[in-house]
Amino acid sequence: GNSVTQMEGPVTLSEEAFLTINCTYTATGYPSLFWYVQYPGEGLQLLLKATKADDKGSNKGFEATYRKETTSFHLEKGSVQVSDSAVYFCALESGNTPLVFGKGTRLSVIA
Amino acid sequence: EPEVTQTPSHQVTQMGQEVILRCVPISNHLYFYWYRQILGQKVEFLVSFYNNEISEKSEIFDDQFSVERPDGSNFTLKIRSTKLEDSAMYFCASMGQGARVGGYTFGSGTRLTVV
Repeated sequence: GNSVTQMEGPVTLSEEAFLTINCTYTATGYPSLFWYVQYPGEGLQLLLKATKADDKGSNKGFEATYRKETTSFHLEKGSVQVSDSAVYFCALESGNTPLVFGKGTRLSVIA
Repeated sequence: EPEVTQTPSHQVTQMGQEVILRCVPISNHLYFYWYRQILGQKVEFLVSFYNNEISEKSEIFDDQFSVERPDGSNFTLKIRSTKLEDSAMYFCASMGQGARVGGYTFGSGTRLTVV
């Protein structure tokens, strides 16, 4: 079946540090891949997505590239801000199946 | 921007009691979902709902669970007799007709604590 594995948190970084949150997946067919973010007290929000191999999703300075050869979709940001503190979820959707999520990674950015 | 609203934000209930979690999806959306996240675990799919019936459900969604759209605006999840292991964050989501890939809108969740 479909599954997503993402790195365990929490991750604590200083402002302006480089961020990587690893995500790998297992899927039948050709999934679409997503990163969702949950800010404190809010719902899950779509951060970025990629629908086919080698696509790069980007938003708010975050990027992730769909790597079929390594079945990965790692989230990166070159310089994090305090306002990026949140929980980040990697997810996939394949065919008509519901979204499958990872466990989430809590990021704390300190000034 | 339209939102999915979930109430209450936190509910504490005694084991064996019935609980109803409420969601108001975006008004012109047609597809509705419940997910849950047990603390420290993955966000898991429970059920999807379209055209006034369940379109898909997971193994978790057993006879203790039911969903309803009673009045065309609310979308509820009922747990008939809660167990300790039902303690989790429950997320509602909705999606419009013809939505693009990943076009879900999620609510902020209801934290259910069963004691």
